Amino acid sequence: KAGVTQTPRYLIKTRGQQVTLSCSPISGHRSVSWYQQTPGQGLQFLFEYFSETQRNKGNFPGRFSGRQFSNSRSEMNVSTLELGDSALYLCASSQGGGKNTDTQYFGPGTRLTVL
Amino acid sequence: AQSVAQPEDQVNVAEGNPLTVKCTYSVSGNPYLFWYVQYPNRGLQFLLKYITGDNLVKGSYGFEAEFNKSQTSFHLKKPSALVSDSALYFCAVSGDSNYQLIWGAGTKLIIKP
Repeated sequence: KAGVTQTPRYLIKTRGQQVTLSCSPISGHRSVSWYQQTPGQGLQFLFEYFSETQRNKGNFPGRFSGRQFSNSRSEMNVSTLELGDSALYLCASSQGGGKNTDTQYFGPGTRLTVL
Repeated sequence: AQSVAQPEDQVNVAEGNPLTVKCTYSVSGNPYLFWYVQYPNRGLQFLLKYITGDNLVKGSYGFEAEFNKSQTSFHLKKPSALVSDSALYFCAVSGDSNYQLIWGAGTKLIIKP
């Protein structure tokens, strides 16, 4: 099976702009989670989608949003970019049957740089 | 509150020596524990997980981890380190009452030739 794919791999934006990142999960996986990774804050959970519904949400401002499509592909959007949004954004997919024993499989990430 | 601690920011080991990366946790009910590895500019790769059963879990690339309920620990181990094991290692936990994974801060493992 193909792994989790994320596009684009690299992005450079300026403050105030908005950005959309895309994630395609492993075939058959219905849950997609998004994380922000920075050197100072480590791995921070953004949100999780399952069957097109947001099931869990982390502690991020409303500028961060996401959605999931019927084919389980997911997008996340960041509006009004700030310098502090520069990070590696990771997407992970799992089977998503609601089991807390599910293994998450990660994509390679999108490196966002905000200038 | 549920939490995961990786007490060492960095671990240095000589090639060929055994390695241990430490992880302790606090969770309500049964813990479900995971280890992941991240190479530079890459996503996280799943190594192994403990759900139930045998306290010694074997995973990818020769890694194993031992679940110790009394010490609430889940240390990652490998009998003989390779230079290629140098990476960032993350421990994570979920529990009966918390579906979402809680992540440790990560431990940088450096294997010196």
